[in-house]
Amino acid sequence: NAGVMQNPRHLVRRRGQEARLRCSPMKGHSHVYWYRQLPEEGLKFMVYLQKENIIDESGMPKERFSAEFPKEGPSILRIQQVVRGDSAAYFCASSPGQAPGELFFGEGSRLTVL
Amino acid sequence: QQQVKQSPQSLIVQKGGIPIINCAYENTAFDYFPWYQQFPGKGPALLIAIRPDVSEKKEGRFTISFNKSAKQFSLHIMDSQPGDSATYFCAATLSGGYNKLIFGAGTRLAVHP
Repeated sequence: NAGVMQNPRHLVRRRGQEARLRCSPMKGHSHVYWYRQLPEEGLKFMVYLQKENIIDESGMPKERFSAEFPKEGPSILRIQQVVRGDSAAYFCASSPGQAPGELFFGEGSRLTVL
Repeated sequence: QQQVKQSPQSLIVQKGGIPIINCAYENTAFDYFPWYQQFPGKGPALLIAIRPDVSEKKEGRFTISFNKSAKQFSLHIMDSQPGDSATYFCAATLSGGYNKLIFGAGTRLAVHP
């Protein structure tokens, strides 16, 4: 009865490198959300995906960030050419349906950009 | 108009006290208001949630009070315990939407023994 699984839990990258964060939703959940949490701040919505579809990416920076949720495998949040300002905790959450209700969060991936 | 304003930023109470955390919003289209609890190094977990058709909801020691006309809602923790020490986030989401939650900035609560 695993919850939302995120990996890696910690990731260190140098400026200009790529970061790939992975998220496996809870069993039976086909709705995935990514949120970003900067130090001492609340969580900011980034993107909402269903299997093979991006439903809402209004919170994603226009450049360097992309997300996918393929038919098979985990959801991936990809950050190209990372900058120091990308340092944050990235949380994935899943839900069984689309309607507002409980979101089940993973423990997050903490990205540090040197 | 998409913001949720949360206060205070931090709060210290003694065991048994009743910490109160307040949130305010502007967008009247919001119609689902959850509270999440987050322990250090962990992801947030849903604590309790309310919809604007009720003014109060209790679950165990946690109570949400909702004032639709004032566009405010608050979390009360009765008989607080040291184990309640965590960061609490209020949130809101839009009518007819999905779980695109707009979070407050968080309140760091410390309950001293």
